Amino acid sequence: SQQGEEDPQALSIQEGENATMNCSYKTSINNLQWYRQNSGRGLVHLILIRSNEREKHSGRLRVTLDTSKKSSSLLITASRAADTASYFCATGLKGTDKLIFGTGTRLQVFP
Amino acid sequence: DVKVTQSSRYLVKRTGEKVFLECVQDMDHENMFWYRQDPGLGLRLIYFSYDVKMKEKGDIPEGYSVSREKKERFSLILESASTNQTSMYLCASSYSEFRYEQYFGPGTRLTVT
Repeated sequence: SQQGEEDPQALSIQEGENATMNCSYKTSINNLQWYRQNSGRGLVHLILIRSNEREKHSGRLRVTLDTSKKSSSLLITASRAADTASYFCATGLKGTDKLIFGTGTRLQVFP
Repeated sequence: DVKVTQSSRYLVKRTGEKVFLECVQDMDHENMFWYRQDPGLGLRLIYFSYDVKMKEKGDIPEGYSVSREKKERFSLILESASTNQTSMYLCASSYSEFRYEQYFGPGTRLTVT
């Protein structure tokens, strides 16, 4: 069962622009995480936001969480060609260490 | 840095063969996971282990089994490989207590012909 749904499925932007990806989920969560995957490789953890947090920053990344709307967004500022990758949200449910991943957003940043 | 390694990057097997995918982590993580990733479907959890010899089915366990005899090693077994098991297989590990990120291996792209 897919918990997280990302939007858009694909996004193309120019270097220097900001990229925003959204994630919606269905049930109560303990935390929400964002991961990045370069083509054909494993996932790399980017940032974790807990259910009692509303916003978190890490370098050029900004994540927001709205538990009333069951949604989150990932903003990458001043994007670079090296940011080209797929980005996945994953929800951590209460009472379990399992994560449920969405289907991902493919980001293409053109030089 | 946490390191999660998988035994093969690419694997080609024939229908009906028994296939072993190995995963090793070096950070003393309690939890280990096996996912498969298919285009348009994201990552789907096959099995989860929260301790040595302990396992829990994920969303798609049919056709798979797992083994965890040592804390650092988690094996995924395809008892009789089928073409619909052609996929990218990803192993991950994490600390327990409901609040930690998962660390992923590089993945094994399995083709069953």
